Amino acid sequence: DQQVKQNSPSLSVQEGRISILNCDYTNSMFDYFLWYKKYPAEGPTFLISISSIKDKNEDGRFTVFLNKSAKHLSLHIVPSQPGDSAVYFCAASENSGYALNFGKGTSLLVTP
Amino acid sequence: KAGVTQTPRYLIKTRGQQVTLSCSPISGHRSVSWYQQTPGQGLQFLFEYFSETQRNKGNFPGRFSGRQFSNSRSEMNVSTLELGDSALYLCASSLVVVGDGYTFGSGTRLTVV
Repeated sequence: DQQVKQNSPSLSVQEGRISILNCDYTNSMFDYFLWYKKYPAEGPTFLISISSIKDKNEDGRFTVFLNKSAKHLSLHIVPSQPGDSAVYFCAASENSGYALNFGKGTSLLVTP
Repeated sequence: KAGVTQTPRYLIKTRGQQVTLSCSPISGHRSVSWYQQTPGQGLQFLFEYFSETQRNKGNFPGRFSGRQFSNSRSEMNVSTLELGDSALYLCASSLVVVGDGYTFGSGTRLTVV
């Protein structure tokens, strides 16, 4: 049963605009959330994380928002750049623990 | 510093055979996890090792097994290969737990024919 869902398989955004990638989860025990970026033929690369005690975390152009009541998180990329084109995975864990539950990913294409 | 190293990068095996994949974590990282990535299921957790002990295991059949050595290097083994085992197998390491943030290797692409 998929506990982390990324309902948009793909997203296309123009360079310079905002990219918003969404993620929903069903397990209320999840307390740590991460976003990974993956290029073809490479392993996923850690991008940004957020603990359930926060509702926002920023790192440069990347901001993650967490809405615990809605069991929803989103990744904002501002401004989007062509190099951001990749597959983005949302992941979650219980007790910052030993396993990550991943969504199936959203393929982002940033066009010039 | 060196990243997570997985060998081999590509493998082709026949149904019924067994296969062993290797992972060398980042120096100092004691936790090693394995994931299977397929187009239909995405990334699915296989198991996690810390100090040579399996701490957590995903929902995979017993044909999938692993181990970790005293130097933190890890191997995973799949016996009696099935066509459905064709996937990208990813290894990730972290200092102690997931909250430290995983670093993934580039993966081993296994094709079962």
